[in-house]
Parts: sequence; C-alpha cells; structure tokens
Amino acid sequence: GESVGLHLPTLSVQEGDNSIINCAYSNSASDYFIWYKQESGKGPQFIIDIRSNMDKRQGQRVTVLLNKTVKHLSLQIAATQPGDSAVYFCAESFQGAQKLVFGQGTRLTINP
Amino acid sequence: DGGITQSPKYLFRKEGQNVTLSCEQNLNHDAMYWYRQDPGQGLRLIYYSQIVNDFQKGDIAEGYSVSREKKESFPLTVTSAQKNPTAFYLCASSIVITAGELFFGEGSRLTVL
Repeated sequence: GESVGLHLPTLSVQEGDNSIINCAYSNSASDYFIWYKQESGKGPQFIIDIRSNMDKRQGQRVTVLLNKTVKHLSLQIAATQPGDSAVYFCAESFQGAQKLVFGQGTRLTINP
Repeated sequence: DGGITQSPKYLFRKEGQNVTLSCEQNLNHDAMYWYRQDPGQGLRLIYYSQIVNDFQKGDIAEGYSVSREKKESFPLTVTSAQKNPTAFYLCASSIVITAGELFFGEGSRLTVL
C-alpha cells in the first residue's frame, strides 16, 4: 500500500480500548478545526469537525475536544476496532478551506 | 454516487517531461484544490480554485500549473520546472471556498524516474 508517512508519531492501542489522538495547532485565530482519517493508498476521509465557539463535539464513536487556551485539539475514538487503523490528521483554518493547515498526522495501529 | 475521481492512480514519467493529473467532481462544488503529500509531512496546498475560470496559488505552486475551464474539472500539470515532483497528489473540493470540510479524491501517485 501507499506510505503516507514514514516517520509519523504512532499510537498503538488494544482492540476495544479507547484511543486518544492529540494535536497542537499553531494559529490562535483559527476558527475551524477538522479531523481526517487516511487509510493506506487512499484519500483522507472526513471524521468530525468543530468550530471555535465550541469545546466539544460528538459523533458516532468519536469525540473532538478543543482547548483554545493551550491550542490543543484531541480526537477520542471509543471501542477501537481494526478498521480504525489509519493515519489521522488534524487541520485548522481561519476563514476558509483554502487556508486549512494540516498537521503531520498520527498513525494509529490496533493490536488484536 | 457523488464524489471526486482522480486519474491515473499511478504514473511514471521521465525527468523533464510534463505530466497532467486529472480531477473530476460531480458534487456540484464551487471550490477545488490540489494538495501534495510527502512522507512524514502534512498536506501542502499547491493551487485552489474558488470558481470556474479562477484559480490562486497555494503554498507550493512553483513548478505546477492548473486550469478551471469547467466547474467539475480541475487538472494539475506538473511541469519540468518542479524540482522534486515524485509525490502523492490529492485533489479535493468543497461546497464553497469558505466551507471548511474538504472532500478528497483517492489520490495519484507520481514517480519521476
């Protein structure tokens, strides 16, 4: 498969455990944040997003937390499954998708 | 099904040759984007287009060119002026330029020999 990141930070979790992937963002003026999942050889897929007027948002098995004080974003995945194995990217933007700035990504691996 | 189609998925070219990567969307989105992805790095914006017949340089536009003659199409040409063209190229679209969520294609892997 395609390699989307040879030297990425890696998180290994046991199947069924909860995963927490962290992201530090750089621009205090950013008003929109988004998480993408990228499987090997594929394009990124939207997971969840959050605007700066919120500090928490929940989706199906996923929760995003935003701490603007320390410019920190996290993605929590509940009951991690083998299909969750992928590289996860956070991205931040201020006033528009053309200004999305992507993080380096974190590789999540699931141990059976 | 609506989505973004990139072609070819894999492409090999010799140094000095221009290559064009295709990107087609049937989502009726106004905005389209091209990103480059290298190992260990986040996505970097090459070009984007807010609307037909308009496009703007992104962060790493040197050595690339684009056109937007139709709403659904946004081809990227990697020219011989691009110093390190081997990479994974991703096309994306959004409803409008101010919308945060991008929809991505499956990518095109370009290898220059």
